This record gives sequence, C-alpha cells and structure tokens, in this order.
Amino acid sequence: NAGVMQNPRHLVRRRGQEARLRCSPMKGHSHVYWYRQLPEEGLKFMVYLQKENIIDESGMPKERFSAEFPKEGPSILRIQQVVRGDSAAYFCASSPGRGDTGELFFGEGSRLTVL
Amino acid sequence: GQQVMQIPQYQHVQEGEDFTTYCNSSTTLSNIQWYKQRPGGHPVFLIQLVKSGEVKKQKRLTFQFGEAKKNSSLHITATQTTDVGTYFCAGATGTASKLTFGTGTRLQVTL
Repeated sequence: NAGVMQNPRHLVRRRGQEARLRCSPMKGHSHVYWYRQLPEEGLKFMVYLQKENIIDESGMPKERFSAEFPKEGPSILRIQQVVRGDSAAYFCASSPGRGDTGELFFGEGSRLTVL
Repeated sequence: GQQVMQIPQYQHVQEGEDFTTYCNSSTTLSNIQWYKQRPGGHPVFLIQLVKSGEVKKQKRLTFQFGEAKKNSSLHITATQTTDVGTYFCAGATGTASKLTFGTGTRLQVTL
C-alpha cells in the first residue's frame, strides 16, 4: 500500500518563476494537509483540503499561494512569482477524514530552493 | 490563534540518560499527537492521546496528556542513539480541524 507520494522531491526555481508541488494521498484518504518547514524550524500549517473543497486555509499567505484537491488527481500547491523566502520544505499529509482529527501520514516532502 | 510551545528547544544527552520534552497549548485540545522527525526526514506519527490525564507507554517512551487537556509530555527512558531527531507535539481542537504543531524539541544523543 503506497504511502503519501510527493513530487518533485527537489525543485529549483529562479525568483519570479512558478512552483507546482504535487501530493497524492494514501489510498482511501480523502483529506490532505500542506505544511511548510523552514530549516531548523517547526511545521507551519498552510491549508487543509478535502476533495474539491478547501476546509481551512488560514495558514496560506494571501498572495501568490494557492492549493487545490480536484476530484481526480493529486492535490497541488502552487506558488506564483517565487521569492527567496519561499525556499523551504513543503510537506503534504493525508488522513482518512473520519471523525476527530487523527493520525496524519506524511510524504517525504518537496524541497524548494529559490535562486 | 492557537499556539503550541515546546521546551526545551534542544537537548543533548549521553546514551543511557533520560529525556523529557514538554508541550503547552494556548487552547484546550480535543486530542494531542506526537511525531518524530529524523534529520533530513519527514514527520512520523508516534501516538495520539485523547482523554484528560491519559498516560500511554511505548517501550521506553511514556506519553502524558494533562488534566486540563492543554499540556502534554514525552519521556524517554535510557536514551539510545536511535532516538536522535526532533520530537513534535501537535494539537487538534475538534472534528475536521487542522493539526497545529509545536515548536519541536531536537534531541541529540552521544555515546
């Protein structure tokens, strides 16, 4: 049973370019979370999605960042016009989405470097 | 908004010594979870606590959830080099709520 799959694992972008990070949740999981982690820091919540629905985006910057989880296909975190401060590891996690918030299964992360 | 703090930020112990990290939330939690992240790795779930005053054990690890459901602790007995990593607590405030991670405690174990 495949775990949470994230790609790309590493991404290098120049300032002003766009970054697209993809996340396929575990089989049977309908809820996806995105977290950002700066070097030597904790995990900062960004967004929580169900299929075709954003449940909580309180951690998303107001500009340049967007996320979606379409009916078919992976969840996508999109960063437009990247800046050096966007360099970080972006982790996706999934859960079955039943009842109270339970265990999250994390992917291995996508490490974005902005030159 | 909800804040979850952990202390200490960093701890360096010799193998065989005990280790404890403490977690405090600014709001009452419906449950608290603990994760471990190895250097360069991703967070891995360790345990979830739901009931007030709950204590759970996993081999050398003991987890507690405070009576007020606002704090928690993780205690490792007789640390080993395999315990190296950052330990995060993470709190949820109800059904379909985001999980807010603590600031983390980085544990270094040397021989």
